[in-house]
Amino acid sequence: AQSVAQPEDQVNVAEGNPLTVKCTYSVSGNPYLFWYVQYPNRGLQFLLKYITGDNLVKGSYGFEAEFNKSQTSFHLKKPSALVSDSALYFCVLDSWGKLQFGAGTQVVVTP
Amino acid sequence: NAGVTQTPKFRVLKTGQSMTLLCAQDMNHEYMYWYRQDPGMGLRLIHYSVGEGTTAKGEVPDGYNVSRLKKQNFLLGLESAAPSQTSVYFCASSSTSDGPLGGYEQYFGPGTRLTVT
Repeated sequence: AQSVAQPEDQVNVAEGNPLTVKCTYSVSGNPYLFWYVQYPNRGLQFLLKYITGDNLVKGSYGFEAEFNKSQTSFHLKKPSALVSDSALYFCVLDSWGKLQFGAGTQVVVTP
Repeated sequence: NAGVTQTPKFRVLKTGQSMTLLCAQDMNHEYMYWYRQDPGMGLRLIHYSVGEGTTAKGEVPDGYNVSRLKKQNFLLGLESAAPSQTSVYFCASSSTSDGPLGGYEQYFGPGTRLTVT
């Protein structure tokens, strides 16, 4: 069975510090993986995706993610967090166009 | 472009009442989806459509029906609302231009907050 997991309910980081949001997956075959972000009372926005190719994927708003096949992980990273990055982040596994969402990680960036 | 729009934004229903949620997209996307979001559970797929006139069940389809009579619209119906259907509902759409095997970015609407009492 395919699954995606986000082991942290919440990540707290000070503004200017590096931000990492963790994601692990389980799938047979090659995965399609996404990160989406949800700001309060709004719909989800696409950040980046991994389909194939380079293991380091760059996305919107300065975010990037590293695909690691041996560790079955797809962690989201940002070198220097901003207060405006405070939001709910979802790691998503794509199965033939149907998305399977992780439970989400709340990111809180403090000034 | 308005992108993906949803109506209404909020609704309160009594148990047993019915209602229809409307999703519209102006991006000429083939695929459309309905999700529900509950605390601590991420989003779960209710129903989806790969083209006008076609629909299919997702992960949690029970208690819901859908119709895709026009390419730009995707309707979600609750025939007899139950308190367990209290949730935030999101519609999304995507194109197939990135390839045939998935990996399509989905564009989400702003959501409909539904409370069933």
